[in-house]
Amino acid sequence: RKEVEQDPGPFNVPEGATVAFNCTYSNSASQSFFWYRQDCRKEPKLLMSVYSSGNEDGRFTAQLNRASQYISLLIRDSKLSDSATYLCVVNVGAGGTSYGKLTFGQGTILTVHP
Amino acid sequence: ETGVTQSPTHLIKTRGQQVTLRCSSQSGHNTVSWYQQALGQGPQFIFQYYREEENGRGNFPPRFSGLQFPNYSSELNVNALELDDSALYLCASSLGHGGETQYFGPGTRLLVL
Repeated sequence: RKEVEQDPGPFNVPEGATVAFNCTYSNSASQSFFWYRQDCRKEPKLLMSVYSSGNEDGRFTAQLNRASQYISLLIRDSKLSDSATYLCVVNVGAGGTSYGKLTFGQGTILTVHP
Repeated sequence: ETGVTQSPTHLIKTRGQQVTLRCSSQSGHNTVSWYQQALGQGPQFIFQYYREEENGRGNFPPRFSGLQFPNYSSELNVNALELDDSALYLCASSLGHGGETQYFGPGTRLLVL
């Protein structure tokens, strides 16, 4: 089983649509959670951190359910510029030593069309 | 931009050769992590350097090695290149080696022929 699993999509949605991405992780000791965005042939860029209380940044809302080991990202009112690959990312420590090993899902491709 | 730089941007090598990739971390960041991203996949953790010492390693063979310098810049060395080493190599810098946010450089695209 992969440590972080995402639906690879692709998701093709019209402008203005609402789209939701889901992600599950296997390591219950995971410490922190993120969504990164990656444009074609570019580096990943932090979109937002994810907290158990849920957090919102404009049109983007992220949720974390530790009991279910499930992370989600909701994008409202999609824009053409939202077209990218969205990476679910988990920070997993190793044994008794905490270090920032980011474990990535394979990414979900989103295309927003006019 | 993140302030993390990598060189070179692109590189072509042949099987069996050795390669060195370089990364300059964001000002004030003392930790550099390296990732390999194959086409169509998410990045895979190679290793992390914190204050000039390896501070964690992923599932990569010993021919992948690294260094961190006193100014916190870092190198990734890969010996005996294989075709499967063709990938985008990303470095990420952070302030601290725990759960702090990591900021990625633009990557080095390596092609092994």
